[in-house]
Amino acid sequence: DAGVTQSPTHLIKTRGQQVTLRCSPKSGHDTVSWYQQALGQGPQFIFQYYEEEERQRGNFPDRFSGHQFPNYSSELNVNALLLGDSALYLCASSLVASGAFVTQYFGPGTRLLVL
Amino acid sequence: DAKTTQPTSMDCAEGRAANLPCNHSTISGNEYVYWYRQIHSQGPQYIIHGLKNNETNEMASLIITEDRKSSTLILPHATLRDTAVYYCIVRVPDNYGQNFVFGPGTRLSVLP
Repeated sequence: DAGVTQSPTHLIKTRGQQVTLRCSPKSGHDTVSWYQQALGQGPQFIFQYYEEEERQRGNFPDRFSGHQFPNYSSELNVNALLLGDSALYLCASSLVASGAFVTQYFGPGTRLLVL
Repeated sequence: DAKTTQPTSMDCAEGRAANLPCNHSTISGNEYVYWYRQIHSQGPQYIIHGLKNNETNEMASLIITEDRKSSTLILPHATLRDTAVYYCIVRVPDNYGQNFVFGPGTRLSVLP
């Protein structure tokens, strides 16, 4: 049973460029969330996708956008990269379950460095 | 969401119990306490959660005080592989999966 996978593992970009990160959820899961983790800090919630729609969003600018595909995989896009966007980007997946505890499973992350 | 306070770091001898405290004095009646950990270079891993009763699973035990203003995560026999950052989070349950706000957590070092 494959867990959450993310690609690429590492990425280097320059300021002003655009980047796309990819996530495949754990088998059977239908919901994907994205987090940003700066060095030495805890992960911060960016947004969550369910049924190909953005369901919730954290306090991140519109430069951060996403997409969920019919197979539940997801992409995170960041435009006009800033030095401060350098971070570990984590994807987490879950399965919607009414009335039950829902566990999020995290992937290993994509480390983005903006120069 | 209620705010939590955790010590920045802790040490524990291998084989001994690790007791990680968390204060959440502003917790509301419908908020649960969740614990996750993050081993270096990996994504966070779910450990345990609870509302008001003590909970135990194969990884750890969670002790919540009667007034629910604090809790303790207990790793009964810590190993070197338990060295990680441990996050305590308080949140209302969500059918879609918790979208947590992680604080800085407690860095636990298990020493040989």
